[in-house]
Amino acid sequence: DTGVSQDPRHKITKRGQNVTFRCDPISEHNRLYWYRQTLGQGPEFLTYFQNEAQLEKSRLLSDRFSAERPKGSFSTLEIQRTEQGDSAMYLCASSLGVQGTQYFGPGTRLLVL
Amino acid sequence: KNEVEQSPQNLTAQEGEFITINCSYSVGISALHWLQQHPGGGIVSLFMLSSGKKKHGRLIATINIQEKHSSLHITASHPRDSAVYICAVTNEKLTFGTGTRLTIIP
Repeated sequence: DTGVSQDPRHKITKRGQNVTFRCDPISEHNRLYWYRQTLGQGPEFLTYFQNEAQLEKSRLLSDRFSAERPKGSFSTLEIQRTEQGDSAMYLCASSLGVQGTQYFGPGTRLLVL
Repeated sequence: KNEVEQSPQNLTAQEGEFITINCSYSVGISALHWLQQHPGGGIVSLFMLSSGKKKHGRLIATINIQEKHSSLHITASHPRDSAVYICAVTNEKLTFGTGTRLTIIP
C-alpha cells in the first residue's frame, strides 16, 4: 500500500461551479477524515467517517458541502456552487481506529476564481 | 481563544542549534500529535503521545497532562528540518494549532 492518495492534486474552477474530490485511504483503515487548510493557518476539521458512517460534521461544513464514503473505502467531498472563500487545501487522512496514527494524503489545492 | 496554542509562530535558528517548540491546549484530549508540513502541503506525523516522552532520532516530544502542555525539541538542527511544525490534539478528531514555521540557516 502506498499510503493515502487524493485526486486531483490541483483544481482551478470558476465561482458557482461544482467540484468533487476523491480520497483513497490506506486499505485497512476504518477511519477517514477531511480537513481544510487556508494559507498560513493550521488545518481545520471538516468531517470524519468510521467505515461508511459519517460520525461528525463541523459547522464549517455548510449545506454546499457533502461527503460520502459509500462502501467504507474511498471517500468523496463535493462542493456545490463554489465561492472564492472555498479556496484552500483540502486534506484527507485515515487511521485504524480512534487511537491510530492519522496518515495524511498530499491534499487537493482548490482555487476558485 | 484557540483550543490549541503554539509558540513561537516563527523561529529562525542557525544550523546545530537546539530547537524548542511549545504547545498548550485547553480541552480534554486522548492524545497529542506533532506533525511536520513541508512546502507543497504534505503532512507527516512525527509523534503521537498521551504521556511522558518519546524520542525518534534527533526529535524529542514531551507532554505534561496536568499542565496541558507539550514541547517538541530538535537537537543538532539541520537545514532539512526547515518546515512548519503543527501541534494537534485528538478526542475523536484532530484540533490543530496554527503551526510554527521553522527555518534553519546553514
